[in-house]
Amino acid sequence: EDQVTQSPEALRLQEGESSSLNCSYTVSGLRGLFWYRQDPGKGPEFLFTLYSAGEEKEKERLKATLTKKESFLHITAPKPEDSATYLCAVQDYGGSQGNLIFGKGTKLSVKP
Amino acid sequence: DGGITQSPKYLFRKEGQNVTLSCEQNLNHDAMYWYRQDPGQGLRLIYYSQIVNDFQKGDIAEGYSVSREKKESFPLTVTSAQKNPTAFYLCASSRPTGSSGNTIYFGEGSWLTVV
Repeated sequence: EDQVTQSPEALRLQEGESSSLNCSYTVSGLRGLFWYRQDPGKGPEFLFTLYSAGEEKEKERLKATLTKKESFLHITAPKPEDSATYLCAVQDYGGSQGNLIFGKGTKLSVKP
Repeated sequence: DGGITQSPKYLFRKEGQNVTLSCEQNLNHDAMYWYRQDPGQGLRLIYYSQIVNDFQKGDIAEGYSVSREKKESFPLTVTSAQKNPTAFYLCASSRPTGSSGNTIYFGEGSWLTVV
């Protein structure tokens, strides 16, 4: 059974304090791994797609990396506006067509 | 601007009542999805549709129904058979799944509360 586990559940950082969020996954065949940002009461906003181990993508203060078992979302020198819940999801070749399996998310709070 | 529009943003349902959530997209995407989000849980798939006039059940389809008469529209009906409908509902769309993963884009969501 496909599984996605995100850790930690919540993370509190001071502005400028870099850290990483973890997404561990179990799938029979990875079609893609996705990172989303979700603000309270809003729909998830797409950040990155990673397809194969060793792949990295960057956007402003965020950098996503992928291994065969997990993905990391690195946040460098975060600002208060980076506060949100970050969702990780995987797409399995063997799963329902197009279906994403989501983790429960990591709630990030960045204090000034 | 291209995007996914969900309406209404807030909806209240009385016991025994059916309600319909609207989802419209102008991204020219073939595939559309409905997810449900509950506090402390990951998003769960209710229904999805890869092409017009065809749709498939997801992991938690019981108590829900959908239609896909137009490429742009994928309404979700929450029926009285759904015993715990209070949740945040998210509509999404994507291009058809190819050999690589296809990115799924989400609307802004609809809150449904039972009163």
